[in-house]
Amino acid sequence: EADIYQTPRYLVIGTGKKITLECSQTMGHDKMYWYQQDPGMELHLIHYSYGVNSTEKGDLSSESTVSRIRTEHFPLTLESARPSHTSQYLCASSRVGSYNEQFFGPGTRLTVL
Amino acid sequence: ELKVEQNPLFLSMQEGKNYTIYCNYSTTSDRLYWYRQDPGKSLESLFVLLSNGAVKQEGRLMASLDTKARLSTLHITAAVHDLSATYFCAVSNNAGNMLTFGGGTRLMVKP
Repeated sequence: EADIYQTPRYLVIGTGKKITLECSQTMGHDKMYWYQQDPGMELHLIHYSYGVNSTEKGDLSSESTVSRIRTEHFPLTLESARPSHTSQYLCASSRVGSYNEQFFGPGTRLTVL
Repeated sequence: ELKVEQNPLFLSMQEGKNYTIYCNYSTTSDRLYWYRQDPGKSLESLFVLLSNGAVKQEGRLMASLDTKARLSTLHITAAVHDLSATYFCAVSNNAGNMLTFGGGTRLMVKP
């Protein structure tokens, strides 16, 4: 079973607040990813990282930012949350040379009022 | 741009029946993944298919890949209620650094 953790699991906040969604993995994976998923819908890649100090934007335009200061940690920050950010955010990781098989965390369900 | 399409999007079937879910993709790739997602939960990796003609089976599920047709199938044999979930296929780009997901197939298996 994959050891990838996300906190908080659920978050309800008001518009304009700054939030950080945490993601940590204990598998030593180099690659980490953030996806956005509306309920029952497809996943959209918003950010990914190949390793420490490496971050890239994904296919879906996002107002969020990420950082990768430690291998195991890949937080996502929204500077000013809006109702359009309401969604589920899934973090994933994969090991270099593992055919990019990605393991997913439990997700954070975000509601912005 | 890589596009991935699944069909059907919704599938309601009786226990004991067989059915196939299809995953088509638009550009060349030789890496395809199937995931399962239960309501309100995260994604669980089911199969990784890495070459043309690859076939993998786990229990009542069997996945195959035809890279020439750009098609993968997930076949369900003698469905049981526990298989009710949403199934996603995902295709890797040629650089191997990103996955593009299909829209998912929501499967309901009725007693």
